[in-house]
This record gives sequence, C-alpha cells and structure tokens, in this order.
Amino acid sequence: QVQLVESGGGLVKSGGSLRLSCAASGFTFSDYYMSWVRQAPGKGLEWVAYISAFAGSTSYADSVKGRFTISRDNTNNLVHLQMNSLRAEDTAVYYCVRYVVVLPAARFDPWGQGTLVTVSS
Amino acid sequence: QSVLTQPPSMSAAPGQRVTISCSGSSSNIGNNYVSWYQHVAGTAPKLLIYDNNKRPSGIPDRFSGSKSGTSATLGITGLQTGDEAEYHCGTWDSSLSGWVFGGGTKLTVL
Repeated sequence: QVQLVESGGGLVKSGGSLRLSCAASGFTFSDYYMSWVRQAPGKGLEWVAYISAFAGSTSYADSVKGRFTISRDNTNNLVHLQMNSLRAEDTAVYYCVRYVVVLPAARFDPWGQGTLVTVSS
Repeated sequence: QSVLTQPPSMSAAPGQRVTISCSGSSSNIGNNYVSWYQHVAGTAPKLLIYDNNKRPSGIPDRFSGSKSGTSATLGITGLQTGDEAEYHCGTWDSSLSGWVFGGGTKLTVL
C-alpha cells in the first residue's frame, strides 16, 4: 500500500538548519507531485511547499519562502525539505504528503505520520 | 489566523448528524475545489472528501461534502465514537498562489 515515512525531525536552535526526508513506497513516485504540510502546536494545518513530478516546478508558502527548499530524488523515491534560518514559529509537526493534481482540482492523499521539529529560542 | 474559517469545536451524541462549516472568499473556496481531512490524534491525517463532494474509496457514505458560493460544508451522519477527531478544510487560493486551510474543528462524540 502507499506509504510515506518522514525522518530528520528534532530539536534545533533558532537560526539553525534541519533537513527532513520522506521515503515513499507503494506507488509510481515519479508520477506525482509531492508536498509538505505542517501543524504547529494548537494551530491548524499550514501548507509549506510542493514540488512537481520531475522537479521542474516548486512553490512555497510566503512564511518559508527564501528559507526552505523542497527537492526530490525520483531514483530513490525520496522527497526532502531543507530548512534554514529556522525560527521559533517553525516549530511544528511536518507531514509529507502526496499531492494529487487532476486539473483543475488537487488534493493531499495520503499523509505520512509526521516528524516533529522544535526550534528553541 | 487561518484564511478559511471553521468553528473551533463541536459536540454531538452517537447516532446524531453534524455539519461542519468552512467559510472563505472568492479567491479560494469561491473558485476552487475544496477537500476535507480527518485527523485522529496520534495518527496521520486522512483525506475524507475531495473535489467538494467526492469520497475516496473506503470512506463511508456517512460522510458528505457540499459547496455553495464561498462556503463549504462537511456532513457526518450516524455519528460514532470513532469519528472523534479534528476536521480540516482546505483549498487552493488563487490570490496567494498557495494552499490554505481552516483552523480545524475538534469534534467530540459524547
């Protein structure tokens, strides 16, 4: 079955960097866009970034633009989120999600279990 | 402050019906497709409704979605204790060029 497994979360100081990874299995990875969505403690979901199937296109939320970079490795079925200049407000559970685009619609399905990123000030 | 507005919490008894609202604007709900996600604490969020009113395979027909103008609604009939979760609406926002979500509605089944 389709599975997404995140890794790389942890505790980091404000201004530091962290790289999240997501291992995908159970589907033809290179056929799909991928995305990261986060949820801060006590807050709603927040879309972070997406990357197209062959990495030709990326898009970021304004809150992370210029600090985060999404990338993918279609050979090894991996998607990464490089997070630089981290701030306390980036503290959240980060979910790796398959981003299903069937224009003009799109949806997030399925979701990984999430990895916790804590930024200490 | 989330772009889409949902009630923070709702409660109902087993067997009852609830509707969860999601309010937005013409740049998001008004001109794009809405999806709904169920998040049971400690588990991965799950797609419940997509394209406003479609259910993925495996989602029971107790769950339904609708959209009118700049608002969307998730309906759940025959409430079960297993439906206790946080429910989130989401859609593309054409002005922001990004996805937006509601703040989530915590549903308690008493």
